[in-house]
Amino acid sequence: DAGVIQSPRHEVTEMGQEVTLRCKPISGHDYLFWYRQTMMRGLELLIYFNNNVPIDDSGMPEDRFSAKMPNASFSTLKIQPSEPRDSAVYFCASSFYSSGQGYTFGSGTRLTVV
Amino acid sequence: AQSVTQLGSHVSVSEGALVLLRCNYSSSVPPYLFWYVQYPNQGLQLLLKYTTGATLVKGINGFEAEFKKSETSFHLTKPSAHMSDAAEYFCAVKGSARQLTFGSGTQLTVLP
Repeated sequence: DAGVIQSPRHEVTEMGQEVTLRCKPISGHDYLFWYRQTMMRGLELLIYFNNNVPIDDSGMPEDRFSAKMPNASFSTLKIQPSEPRDSAVYFCASSFYSSGQGYTFGSGTRLTVV
Repeated sequence: AQSVTQLGSHVSVSEGALVLLRCNYSSSVPPYLFWYVQYPNQGLQLLLKYTTGATLVKGINGFEAEFKKSETSFHLTKPSAHMSDAAEYFCAVKGSARQLTFGSGTQLTVLP
């Protein structure tokens, strides 16, 4: 398995533009998580899905952020409009429920909003 | 409820010295515990995990951790630090919640 695949690896965009981050989880995993990592706030859970259904989006900072999982092999995190304070590394992770295996993380997308 | 506290946001050790990174947890049910490592510009990678059974667990790169229920701790150790161990380390707990709760991380610096 190629692991959790995120794209793009780096994204630089101008304030006000729409940004879409993409994630392909490991085949067969039934949970998918989106995290944001910054120096100031550390690792923050934004939202997670179980069997493609959003379970908890309480970590999504505001309405400018949205996430979808149209099928078991694909998820997107969208920011519209983007702001400089959204600059961070965004990670996607997937797992089996209660398998005790923990999460497998992608390599992340480094987002810079100028 | 579940939570994790990592004591020390930065730890420095000399090459060859013992590495000890501290993690205390809180969980209302018997927990699963994890240590992850993050190298610069990379995602988090699982180092080791405790689910049930033997309380001393061994992971990759010579790291190990011991689950101590009485102390609610899961400290990470390595007998002899190597320069390549320099990274950020995260402790995580899974208790009654569906998701893991991560600690704030400990940056390990290895001095030559």
